[in-house]
Amino acid sequence: DQQVKQNSPSLSVQEGRISILNCDYTNSMFDYFLWYKKYPAEGPTFLISISSIKDKNEDGRFTVFLNKSAKHLSLHIVPSQPGDSAVYFCAAIEEENYQLIWGAGTKLIIKP
Amino acid sequence: EAGVAQSPRYKIIEKRQSVAFWCNPISGHATLYWYQQILGQGPKLLIQFQNNGVVDDSQLPKDRFSAERLKGVDSTLKIQPAKLEDSAVYLCASSLDRRAEQYFGPGTRLTVT
Repeated sequence: DQQVKQNSPSLSVQEGRISILNCDYTNSMFDYFLWYKKYPAEGPTFLISISSIKDKNEDGRFTVFLNKSAKHLSLHIVPSQPGDSAVYFCAAIEEENYQLIWGAGTKLIIKP
Repeated sequence: EAGVAQSPRYKIIEKRQSVAFWCNPISGHATLYWYQQILGQGPKLLIQFQNNGVVDDSQLPKDRFSAERLKGVDSTLKIQPAKLEDSAVYLCASSLDRRAEQYFGPGTRLTVT
């Protein structure tokens, strides 16, 4: 039972354009959503998060949008840079047990 | 501030052999996590420690996996005996407490042949 789904295994975007990574979830009890970025041979690093009471959170080039009715969130990167090439994981937390539930990840490739 | 340290970085063993991984969390972090990440999947929590006590080990295959966190600092994860399906990256993470941001180590890539 996959509670957090990232349906695109990979995404290729031209440098300077917008990258949009999508994530769907099934558990309506999730309170908090996070995006992690992972380079090869490194552990994931926290990128940006959003509380379930908000619909948008912005940090520099990164913006996360949450649509609770659709159980969908997305990460927008504008403009995309070569250093953004990595695997991006969506994760969700349920307040009750505070355990991170992860999606399978999307590999983002920024083309020069 | 030093990050989460893990060793070894890579390990290749034959099935039915034993293996152990070590993790040194960020100083002062009370919560320590071990995750298993199989290729093409997201990390799956194996066990969570709060200081030296186990908070959650519901997804740890206890017939072959064991973990300990002596003195509430370093931790070891052991697999005995290993199976082919244990091939994965084993990630250690730590946080100030169970509600705080998790910081990850580089992981140990295990290949079981």
